Amino acid sequence: EDQVTQSPEALRLQEGESSSLNCSYTVSGLRGLFWYRQDPGKGPEFLFTLYSAGEEKEKERLKATLTKKESFLHITAPKPEDSATYLCALLSGSARQLTFGSGTQLTVLP
Amino acid sequence: DAGVIQSPRHEVTEMGQEVTLRCKPISGHNSLFWYRQTMMRGLELLIYFNNNVPIDDSGMPEDRFSAKMPNASFSTLKIQPSEPRDSAVYFCASSRTGGGEKLFFGSGTQLSVL
Repeated sequence: EDQVTQSPEALRLQEGESSSLNCSYTVSGLRGLFWYRQDPGKGPEFLFTLYSAGEEKEKERLKATLTKKESFLHITAPKPEDSATYLCALLSGSARQLTFGSGTQLTVLP
Repeated sequence: DAGVIQSPRHEVTEMGQEVTLRCKPISGHNSLFWYRQTMMRGLELLIYFNNNVPIDDSGMPEDRFSAKMPNASFSTLKIQPSEPRDSAVYFCASSRTGGGEKLFFGSGTQLSVL
């Protein structure tokens, strides 16, 4: 059975304090690992898709990386507007659709 | 593009009542998904449609839940009769194909069953 575990559950950072969020997974044949951002009262918003170990993608202050067992979302010099819940999800060869993790709630203090 | 549109944004009802949630996907998207989000269980896929046809409804919790997609621009999720444990945020999402690429989510319907 495909499993996705995100850590930490919550993270508080000062503005400018870089950190990383973790997404560990077990899967039978990874077809893709997705990162989404969710703001309060809104649906998840797509950030990145990673397809193979060693792949990296960047968008503004965010960089996602992928290994065979986990993915990291690195946040460099975060700003308060980066505060949100970050969800990872995986698509396996045996599943039709995404399996979501429980998310990391990020708070960036000014 | 207006994005995925869901209605209502909030629904408060009493146990035993019928609830209907509505969704308009992004024009040109062929796949539509209904998810439920709770603190305890996170985001769970309930059902998804491809070209208006239900493909996988294994996530539908029980017979009280039903979903339809009569055309490419409209879908409903119905709960009859509703129960307090159905209280959650229900999201609709669409994608260009059903191949697992990125999903576009609506803003959700916050359902409270008293």
